Amino acid sequence: SYELTQPPSVSVSPGQTARITCSGDILPNQYTHWYQQKPGQAPALIINKDIERPSGIPERFSGSRSGTTVTLTISAVQAEDEADYYCQSADSNAAYVLFGGGTRLTVL
Amino acid sequence: QVQLVESGGGVVQPGRSLRLSCVASGFTFSYYGMHWVRQAPGKGLEWVAVMWHDGNNEHYGDSVKGRFTISRDNSKNTLYLQMNSLRVEDTATYYCARGETYYRFWGQGTLVTVSS
Repeated sequence: SYELTQPPSVSVSPGQTARITCSGDILPNQYTHWYQQKPGQAPALIINKDIERPSGIPERFSGSRSGTTVTLTISAVQAEDEADYYCQSADSNAAYVLFGGGTRLTVL
Repeated sequence: QVQLVESGGGVVQPGRSLRLSCVASGFTFSYYGMHWVRQAPGKGLEWVAVMWHDGNNEHYGDSVKGRFTISRDNSKNTLYLQMNSLRVEDTATYYCARGETYYRFWGQGTLVTVSS
């Protein structure tokens, strides 16, 4: 079965760039989407279809892909970016949907 | 504005059943696929099930296949999740989410606790 692998944690200082990776064999063939989840809140979509940023999402959030790895990049990290981040993919029929295990971003 | 409101959660004993509901508003419900996603306390997100916009296709995650049933009533703008043979490991917050293969909108979730 397919899996998506994320690092459990990433730490950066304010103003630095955070990069969160997501890897999996399915990724070259399917889009990847990213969610941010803060404590006590539902997840929020921040990147869809690898690189698209929904309206209202700051430009400092961006996505990229290379082979079996996709990357969420957060430029000029702010304290408010401290959260859990999840990657997600699915086949085109949504017959299966995968989430990565999540990455906790800590802003030092 | 798009709203998804889940209900039906609570405390239930192992082996029992529970039905969750998700009432949608602010968009044409019948146009969109709808999913259930759950999150165990302190854990990550896990996909549970999807039903396509017309109710003609449904798929399930391996951990719930054969025990849970997703359904929808487009006339009532409501998505359901019938959960049978509940296990302790089904304890989680259950979210409904709108989308075909990714989720622009989520509800706030309803907590299901399976415990004796």
